[in-house]
Amino acid sequence: DAGVIQSPRHEVTEMGQEVTLRCKPISGHNSLFWYRQTMMRGLELLIYFNNNVPIDDSGMPEDRFSAKMPNASFSTLKIQPSEPRDSAVYFCASSTSLATYEQYFGPGTRLTVT
Amino acid sequence: DQQVKQNSPSLSVQEGRISILNCDYTNSMFDYFLWYKKYPAEGPTFLISISSIKDKNEDGRFTVFLNKSAKHLSLHIVPSQPGDSAVYFCAASGTDSSYKLIFGSGTRLLVRP
Repeated sequence: DAGVIQSPRHEVTEMGQEVTLRCKPISGHNSLFWYRQTMMRGLELLIYFNNNVPIDDSGMPEDRFSAKMPNASFSTLKIQPSEPRDSAVYFCASSTSLATYEQYFGPGTRLTVT
Repeated sequence: DQQVKQNSPSLSVQEGRISILNCDYTNSMFDYFLWYKKYPAEGPTFLISISSIKDKNEDGRFTVFLNKSAKHLSLHIVPSQPGDSAVYFCAASGTDSSYKLIFGSGTRLLVRP
């Protein structure tokens, strides 16, 4: 069974450009989480969805960040416009439900904004 | 304010010996704890978990101990193998935190052959 799939694996873009990160959760999982990992802040939760509905976006750093989950098998995290301080590894994770604490992570997208 | 702390950024042990990774938390409402392992260029992988109603959970070479009074948990790996070399994150959650996982900063384990 395929795990969480993220694309692209690496993204290099210039400041001011729009960036879209994509995630396909594990089939049958109802909860999806977006995380960001940096040296300074570690692994921090940005937003999570349950049954395609955003539940908590309090971790989204600014209005430049937005996330959608149009269906159970696809989610996007968009940064517009991007800034150098957005450079980080972005992980998507999914779980069977919110009450199932075990989350399964994708391989991540390494974003570099120059 | 860090609710989950891993105070040792790194640990080095000899192959075959025990590895003990520690984690402290401050929120007494946390009732579920997890350990994740992360290799370079990969996402964190779920390793083992424990509910606050238990004080020990074992899975093969991995055992997690929970001391609720001290707000402390530890992961024991016995015997350690070179393939265990990775960064280990502890995480905590509970209904009080809306099922969010709060991660520690990680401990890099090196198992020397």
